Amino acid sequence: GENVEQHPSTLSVQEGDSAVIKCTYSDSASNYFPWYKQELGKRPQLIIDIRSNVGEKKDQRIAVTLNKTAKHFSLHITETQPEDSAVYFCAAGDSWGKLQFGAGTQVVVTP
Amino acid sequence: DTGVSQNPRHKITKRGQNVTFRCDPISEHNRLYWYRQTLGQGPEFLTYFQNEAQLEKSRLLSDRFSAERPKGSFSTLEIQRTEQGDSAMYLCASSPDRVGGELFFGEGSRLTVL
Repeated sequence: GENVEQHPSTLSVQEGDSAVIKCTYSDSASNYFPWYKQELGKRPQLIIDIRSNVGEKKDQRIAVTLNKTAKHFSLHITETQPEDSAVYFCAAGDSWGKLQFGAGTQVVVTP
Repeated sequence: DTGVSQNPRHKITKRGQNVTFRCDPISEHNRLYWYRQTLGQGPEFLTYFQNEAQLEKSRLLSDRFSAERPKGSFSTLEIQRTEQGDSAMYLCASSPDRVGGELFFGEGSRLTVL
């Protein structure tokens, strides 16, 4: 069955440092890997995604890498800022768009 | 606001009562999903629709849960004979009809069962 593991569960970084979150998935049919950011009491919002035919994607301070052979993907946030503090979820999806989410990583950026 | 809309935003009910949540997706989106999220966890898949057809229902979903999307537009999620373990945030999301389309989430409906 589908399973997405996410680590770490909490991550504290100094402002300006980098943050890395890692996820693994089990379903070989997964071909879409989004990352969502959820602030307290708010809806999850997409920050970046990657598809299975791409190994890396970058958008300003955020980058995602995918290793389909090893079935793992990672989120990298560089030059962290206090507004990056939130819970981040990785997910793995199939062609129907159904997503399986990881348990989340609470990121705290301290000034 | 043309985003995903959910109602009610909060619902407090007594154990054993029935509750119904409504989701209005983004108008041009054919796919609609229901997720459940408990504190400290990621959203858990419940069910999803392609237009009015319910294509999959999580095996974790008991028979007390039922979802409909009668005209392929809005959807309802009903929970019968609520239990305290049903307390959670129920999230609705919609997406366009293409491979690997982004899910747009609503603000959620928070259920508290006393």
